[in-house]
Amino acid sequence: EVQLVESGGGLVQPGGSLRLSCAASGFTFSSYWMSWVRQAPGKGLEWVANIKQDGSEKYYVDSVKGRFTISRDNAKNSLYLQMNSLRAEDTAVYYCARVGLYYYDSSGYYAFDIWGQGTMVTVSS
Amino acid sequence: DIQMTQSPSSLSASVGDRVTITCRASQSISSYLNWYQQKPGKAPKLLIYAASSLQSGVPSRFSGSGSGTDFTLTISSLQPEDFATYYCQQSYSTLPFTFGPGTKVDIK
Repeated sequence: EVQLVESGGGLVQPGGSLRLSCAASGFTFSSYWMSWVRQAPGKGLEWVANIKQDGSEKYYVDSVKGRFTISRDNAKNSLYLQMNSLRAEDTAVYYCARVGLYYYDSSGYYAFDIWGQGTMVTVSS
Repeated sequence: DIQMTQSPSSLSASVGDRVTITCRASQSISSYLNWYQQKPGKAPKLLIYAASSLQSGVPSRFSGSGSGTDFTLTISSLQPEDFATYYCQQSYSTLPFTFGPGTKVDIK
């Protein structure tokens, strides 16, 4: 079964750090871009970060640049998000997601096709 | 950044109704548009990619259309399990993969 399982969420004080993990199974992890997507309580979805298959390219939403670091260990089929200098506005459910590549009409299209169950991060004093 | 809007923000419908949700991009994104369904407390689920291609396992009552800046998600006959929030998302530009604000479909 294709699966993503996040862990590492919890309550942290403003300015603190947290490391999220995502364990992948059921597919060739090293063949896919991977992402983190978050959802603040009662709000919509926000893409946070992407990482290329070999980890050579990483991209972030402006609001987390310089504070969050995405990484992966293909030998362990795992994705990570190191979150530093956390703020109240970082409070959200964090999902890891596989970036699938689909071909249609001779073009390639990316979509978040597999999602984990999410892990809650609460930043509060 | 490409901005995505959706309308309506919420709607009430009955089982069996035909439901249409609209998504608009701030600039042309060709057909690089995906649709997701999210139920309360659950992760989003991919329904449609490339504006109109149905993801494997998704019921055929779901369909997508559009290109450029205007897109539509249609549920031909609403079922009880379809009450959820629907999000569009552009994948035209890699940075960032922006989502629309969502459309909540609930029971009339």
